[in-house]
Amino acid sequence: DTGVSQNPRHKITKRGQNVTFRCDPISEHNRLYWYRQTLGQGPEFLTYFQNEAQLEKSRLLSDRFSAERPKGSFSTLEIQRTEQGDSAMYLCASSFSSPSRGGAAGADTQYFGPGTRLTVL
Amino acid sequence: AQTVTQSQPEMSVQEAETVTLSCTYDTSESDYYLFWYKQPPSRQMILVIRQEAYKQQNATENRFSVNFQKAAKSFSLKISDSQLGDAAMYFCASGSARQLTFGSGTQLTVLP
Repeated sequence: DTGVSQNPRHKITKRGQNVTFRCDPISEHNRLYWYRQTLGQGPEFLTYFQNEAQLEKSRLLSDRFSAERPKGSFSTLEIQRTEQGDSAMYLCASSFSSPSRGGAAGADTQYFGPGTRLTVL
Repeated sequence: AQTVTQSQPEMSVQEAETVTLSCTYDTSESDYYLFWYKQPPSRQMILVIRQEAYKQQNATENRFSVNFQKAAKSFSLKISDSQLGDAAMYFCASGSARQLTFGSGTQLTVLP
């Protein structure tokens, strides 16, 4: 098990450009999450997938943000027309679900990737 | 809406001593989880310990233990026999399987 991976690790772009990030979850984890973390703050929830279905979206996820998980495996997060305020660390996490409370140990625990640091100039 | 408050932006502890990090939360959910994660400088978020809210017994994980006070909505982390490798930003988080709300973190320094 190689853990959650994210690519690229760093991205520098000019304001107005589009960027796309990729997240590969831990294999067999059916849930995937995106968070945004700015310097000195805790992560803020952006969106959540169960398999390929996007089930939760934060109000932080403006119309310029879109996330997909087409086959229920990897996910992409795209930001269109980037703004300087989009500069942040974008974190991906994954977890697996259990059919019942107290089921498989570790169910519903989110494991995080290393993040993609976005700098918008 | 859920909120998580970490009132100690910075803490320090002498190596081999014990330190307690505080966390309070507010939630309207009846079934939820609580977590402590650590984030070393420029490194990824690592799970320290988790607690299911329906369990009364406090979780422990080696040198790490929690004091979960459900009625007071308090969830503190105790680190025993502190080691230099424990130095990191520690985040408390509350939520469901669908999303987590994080506190603003406590920067822990371990003094040799």
